[in-house]
Amino acid sequence: EVQLLESGGGLLQPGGSLRLSCAASGFTFSSCAMNWVRQAPGKGLEWVSTITGSGDTTYYADSVKGRFTISRDNFENALYLQMHSLRAEDTAVYYCVKDRGDSGYYPIDYWGQGTLVTVSS
Amino acid sequence: AIQMTQSPSSLSASVGDRVTIVCRASQDIRNDLGWFQQKPGKAPKVLIYAASTLQSGVPSRFSGSGYGTDFTLTISSLQPEDFATYYCLQDYNYPRTFGQGTKVEI
Repeated sequence: EVQLLESGGGLLQPGGSLRLSCAASGFTFSSCAMNWVRQAPGKGLEWVSTITGSGDTTYYADSVKGRFTISRDNFENALYLQMHSLRAEDTAVYYCVKDRGDSGYYPIDYWGQGTLVTVSS
Repeated sequence: AIQMTQSPSSLSASVGDRVTIVCRASQDIRNDLGWFQQKPGKAPKVLIYAASTLQSGVPSRFSGSGYGTDFTLTISSLQPEDFATYYCLQDYNYPRTFGQGTKVEI
């Protein structure tokens, strides 16, 4: 059974930094690109970032480019999102999301339960 | 970036109704489109991928169609557990983009 378990969310002040983690199990982690997708309170879904199965290619939404870094550890079956210079508009539930394949050009097939990040003074 | 325009933004329906949600892409995305269902306080769930392929375990009353720029999600006979918000997503290129969502209400 595929499981994606996010952690690391919390409350922090504008300008702060945070690292989210996603522990993956139930599939061959290195064979799947992984994503972060977020949802601000009461709003729709927003794609944030993708990393290929090997980790050698990454993609970012313009809204986070230069502030967020996606990475993965294929030995630990873990996905990360390092977030810097956080803003109030980054407040959201962040979901760890799995692709069906490794290239970054396969459809999504599983979502984690999400972790809440709140940026407020 | 490819814009995904989803309609309607909300709809009222009754159990047993046939419901259709439309997603239109601002450019050709072949069949690189997925549909997701989200209930309040829960993570989204995959319904359809590659425009028309039903995710394993999803009831057959859900179906997807379309190619190029125009896509539809159809629920053939709405059930009580189908009241939720539905989103489309293009995974043709980056940035990946979602539709605005359609809330299906009683």
